[in-house]
Amino acid sequence: DAGVTQSPTHLIKTRGQQVTLRCSPISGHKSVSWYQQVLGQGPQFIFQYYEKEERGRGNFPDRFSARQFPNYSSELNVNALLLGDSALYLCASSPRTGGEQPQHFGDGTRLSIL
Amino acid sequence: AQSVTQLGSHVSVSEGALVLLRCNYSSSVPPYLFWYVQYPNQGLQLLLKYTTGATLVKGINGFEAEFKKSETSFHLTKPSAHMSDAAEYFCAVSDSNYQLIWGAGTKLIIKP
Repeated sequence: DAGVTQSPTHLIKTRGQQVTLRCSPISGHKSVSWYQQVLGQGPQFIFQYYEKEERGRGNFPDRFSARQFPNYSSELNVNALLLGDSALYLCASSPRTGGEQPQHFGDGTRLSIL
Repeated sequence: AQSVTQLGSHVSVSEGALVLLRCNYSSSVPPYLFWYVQYPNQGLQLLLKYTTGATLVKGINGFEAEFKKSETSFHLTKPSAHMSDAAEYFCAVSDSNYQLIWGAGTKLIIKP
């Protein structure tokens, strides 16, 4: 079975632009989470979606938004990009929500802001 | 609020030596604890997890970790390091909202 797939793998944008990142979860997984990983740091939680509803939001500004589609794939949108948004954006899926559920990660989208 | 502390941003061991990566957590609820590994330019791969039951947890690639509630620790060990173990290792705790709180990571360096 295919793992979590993310697209694109790399992206270069300039300040003020908008970006959309995409994620396809493992087949049968209904929960998708997004993380931001700045170089040299651990991941920071951005959003969790389960059954197309937002189940959690981290401490990120409103420029960050996401949604989950009926097929459980997900998009992360970031508006008005800042230099500080440069990071690896990771998507993770799990069969359902719950603290004991291990998350399965994609290889991420590396976003560079010029 | 939950938090995770990983002692040592870099740990260097010789090939064949014991690997010990330290993780301490704080949690207001019974914790679910995880170790993940990240190779360069890749996502995170689950090594092992503790939810309930046996406090010594065995994972992939010969790694194991022991949950010690009294010490609020979940240290990761491997008896004999291989060159292929060189990577960054992250400890994480699931908070009361089922969101993962991550440590800053420990980069494991293996000396030949």
